[in-house]
Amino acid sequence: GQQVMQIPQYQHVQEGEDFTTYCNSSTTLSNIQWYKQRPGGHPVFLIQLVKSGEVKKQKRLTFQFGEAKKNSSLHITATQTTDVGTYFCAGPGTNAGKSTFGDGTTLTVKP
Amino acid sequence: DTGVSQDPRHKITKRGQNVTFRCDPISEHNRLYWYRQTLGQGPEFLTYFQNEAQLEKSRLLSDRFSAERPKGSFSTLEIQRTEQGDSAMYLCASSLIDAGNDEQYFGPGTRLTVT
Repeated sequence: GQQVMQIPQYQHVQEGEDFTTYCNSSTTLSNIQWYKQRPGGHPVFLIQLVKSGEVKKQKRLTFQFGEAKKNSSLHITATQTTDVGTYFCAGPGTNAGKSTFGDGTTLTVKP
Repeated sequence: DTGVSQDPRHKITKRGQNVTFRCDPISEHNRLYWYRQTLGQGPEFLTYFQNEAQLEKSRLLSDRFSAERPKGSFSTLEIQRTEQGDSAMYLCASSLIDAGNDEQYFGPGTRLTVT
C-alpha cells in the first residue's frame, strides 16, 4: 500500500534558525496536505498543494510540491517558539477520501 | 463553538468491554473521517463516510471495530471486546469536499485507555 515517509523525525533548533521537513511518498500523489499538531492538541490544516512544482508561502512558511508529485517540503524561516509542534504531511490514497499521514517531524525551538 | 466535537474526551475501560465514541462534525460538512493516533505516530486512517455512506474501511481494522453515520450528521465508532492494543487517541475529522480541496478539520479526540 501507499507509504508516506517524513524526515527528520525530530529537529531541535535555536530560535531564529531555519527548519525544513521533507515528505516522500511511495506513489504519485494527486495532492498533498500539511498539518500542524501542537503538543496535546489535534492536527490543524495548514495547506494543500496540487500542481507539480507548486510553491506556496504563508508568512515564514514555504511549501513545495515536487515535480514528480512524489515529494514535498515545508521550510520555516527564522523559527519562533510558536512554531513548536509536529508537522505532518498527508496524501490521498487510490480512493480520494482516504488520507495517508506520515509520522511527522517534531520541532522544538530553544529560545 | 462550530468546530468538530467528540465525546467523551477520555475513556478508561477494562479489557473485553465494549466502548462507543461519538463525533459531531461541522454541520455543513459531508465527509467524516475516523483516525487512530498513538504516541510518536501520525494519524492512522480507520474509515470515512460521505454523507451517510461508509465508503472505505481500513484493511487493518479488525471486525471488532464498526462505525455508523446514520443520518449523515454525527457518527459513532464502536470497539467491541477491547484489547490493550486498542489504547490510543481516536480522532474524528470532517471536510466539505469540493473541487480540489479536502481540508480536514479535526476534533479534540477521545483518548482510550484499556486496562
